[in-house]
Amino acid sequence: DIQMTQSPSSLSASVGDRVTISCRASQNIKKYVSWYRQRPGKAPNLLIYAASVLHTGVPSGFSGSGSGTDFTLTISSLQPEDFATYYCQQTYSVPPTFGGGTTVEI
Amino acid sequence: EVQLVQSGAEVKKPGESLKVSCKGSGYNFPNFWIGWVRQMPGKGLEWVGIIYPGDSDIRYSPSFQGRVTISVDKSISTAFLQWSSLEASDTAIYYCARHLSIAAMDAFAIWGQGTMVTVSS
Repeated sequence: DIQMTQSPSSLSASVGDRVTISCRASQNIKKYVSWYRQRPGKAPNLLIYAASVLHTGVPSGFSGSGSGTDFTLTISSLQPEDFATYYCQQTYSVPPTFGGGTTVEI
Repeated sequence: EVQLVQSGAEVKKPGESLKVSCKGSGYNFPNFWIGWVRQMPGKGLEWVGIIYPGDSDIRYSPSFQGRVTISVDKSISTAFLQWSSLEASDTAIYYCARHLSIAAMDAFAIWGQGTMVTVSS
């Protein structure tokens, strides 16, 4: 299985801060990465797919970058609803593994 | 509106069987892969497997192969996840989710609300 390693596992931030979350794959996965946000007690929501494509309806403050093994999710200005856990996922090969998650706390 | 609606929470004893459901609506159900994702208490997301309702093609994670069975009834636009003999370690929230496109490998764009499965003696 391809391993997806996220860093940091948690971070503290304030409303309006710029936040960057990293995800590293154990092998080259080209641009087959998606990012999700999961608010407490809720199902995950898709934010970005194909490493950098913003999903329909997702605010433009979210952006993704990277290819090969190193990927980044950036939130340009944290909003109250963005305090949540974020997961990367590779969709290059079965099983499409998730990263361990990054919790963004106030 | 495109949505997936899952069956309600379940409390079972070890060794019992269980089948949970996920009903799709608002889109052409046979054309999109539907998958299952496990989230154990306080933990991250784990991909269980996916099924293509059009022809019932199934892909399992090696970690779940033989432990669960994924099926579908396209006549009622519903996918299923079932266990023949539950263990305490199956306690988790199980989400169903639909792929973004008709591709076999893709992001999950539509998610169900989750089904909490509790296995305890």
